[in-house]
Amino acid sequence: DAGVTQSPTHLIKTRGQHVTLRCSPISGHKSVSWYQQVLGQGPQFIFQYYEKEERGRGNFPDRFSARQFPNYSSELNVNALLLGDSALYLCASSFVQESYNEQFFGPGTRLTVL
Amino acid sequence: AQSVTQLGSHVSVSEGALVLLRCNYSSSVPPYLFWYVQYPNQGLQLLLKYTSAATLVKGINGFEAEFKKSETSFHLTKPSAHMSDAAEYFCAVTRGSGYSTLTFGKGTMLLVSP
Repeated sequence: DAGVTQSPTHLIKTRGQHVTLRCSPISGHKSVSWYQQVLGQGPQFIFQYYEKEERGRGNFPDRFSARQFPNYSSELNVNALLLGDSALYLCASSFVQESYNEQFFGPGTRLTVL
Repeated sequence: AQSVTQLGSHVSVSEGALVLLRCNYSSSVPPYLFWYVQYPNQGLQLLLKYTSAATLVKGINGFEAEFKKSETSFHLTKPSAHMSDAAEYFCAVTRGSGYSTLTFGKGTMLLVSP
């Protein structure tokens, strides 16, 4: 079975631009979470979606937004990019939203903002 | 709120030596605890998890961890290091009931020398 897939693998943008990152969860998984991992740090929670509804949001500005589609895939959008948005963006899927459920991580999208 | 402290950003061991990676957590409610491993340019892979069953948890690749409530610790160990264990290791905590997201530590890079 395919794991969590993310696209693109790498992305280079300039300050002020907009970016869209995509995630396809494991088949049957209904929950998708997004994390930002800055170099040298642990991942930080951005959003969780379950059954196409936002169920949680981390401490990120409104420039960050996301959505989940009927097929449970998800997009993360970041507007007005800043240099500090350069990071590895990880998507994780799980069958349900509850905390006991293991989250499976994708390989990530490496975003570089110049 | 939950938090995780990983002592030591880098740990160096020789091949065949004991691996000990330290994790202390803070949680106002009973936690679930996880150890993830990240190889270069890859996403996170779950090594093991504690979800209030046995306090000694065995994971993949010969790793295990012991939950000690009195010490608020969840240290990761492996009796004999292998070169392939070289990677970054993250401890994470979540609330042990209902909906909750993962809070990660800053990570510990394990270096294995021949």
